[in-house]
Amino acid sequence: DIVMTQSPDSLAVSLGERATINCESSQSIFFSSNNKNYLAWYQHKPGQPPKLLIYWASTRESGVPDRFSGSGSGTDFTLTIDSLQAEDVAVYYCQQYHSMPYTFGQGTKLEIK
Amino acid sequence: QVQLQESGPGLVKPSETLSLTCTVSGGSIMSYYWSWIRQPPGKRLEWIGYMYYSGSTNYNPSLKSRVTTSLDRSNNQFSLRLTSVTAADTAVYYCARGLSGFYSPHDKWGQGTLVTVSS
Repeated sequence: DIVMTQSPDSLAVSLGERATINCESSQSIFFSSNNKNYLAWYQHKPGQPPKLLIYWASTRESGVPDRFSGSGSGTDFTLTIDSLQAEDVAVYYCQQYHSMPYTFGQGTKLEIK
Repeated sequence: QVQLQESGPGLVKPSETLSLTCTVSGGSIMSYYWSWIRQPPGKRLEWIGYMYYSGSTNYNPSLKSRVTTSLDRSNNQFSLRLTSVTAADTAVYYCARGLSGFYSPHDKWGQGTLVTVSS
C-alpha cells in the first residue's frame, strides 16, 4: 500500500495569514502517460462529511475559494491556504488514488492562532 | 444536487454482520463508481472498496475476505456488508461517489453513520 504522511500534525495560523500543509507519498503517484498526479485534498469539519478541495494535485473543485491551492509532483505535495478565514478551521487530509487500495494521510488539524 | 445518505444499525454485536445502505438522491447511480470509506475513532480515513453500476467491484485487501457490496438500481441505492465484525470495525462509515472513472477522488459524500461494535 502507498503510505501517505502529512506534516505537520497540527498547525495554528493567524487570521489573514497563510497556512501550508505538506503531504508525502511513499512512492510516486504520478502517471507519465497522462502527466497527472493522482492526489486529492479534503477539508473535514466536525459533524460534516469530508469536502473535496483539490484533485490532480492542483485542480480546484468547483465552488472552492481560490485562496485554496495545491502544488507538487511525484511524492511531495502541498496544500496552501492564503488569507486564512475563520471558516477554514478543520482537519485536512490528502489522498492518493493512483493505486488500490486508495490511502489517506493521517490528517492535519488547522486552528486559528 | 446529488446527495448521499447512509442508513443502518448503529450497534452491531461482535462476530455478527454489519449492513449499511447508501441512498443516492438528486442523480442517478448509473455511470459512477461508488465507495465505502470509514474512519475509526482517532484514526485516519480508510477506503473499504468501490462498486461500479455495472456490478464490478474492487475491495481493500485488508478487508476483502469480509466485505460484500451490492447495487439496487431501481431504488438508487448501494449497500455494504461486513462480516465477523470486531471492536476494530467501530467507525464512522461514509458512502461516497467517485468524481470520474475508476481512479478518481470522491466528490460527493454522505453525512456518515457511526457504527459501534459491542455486546
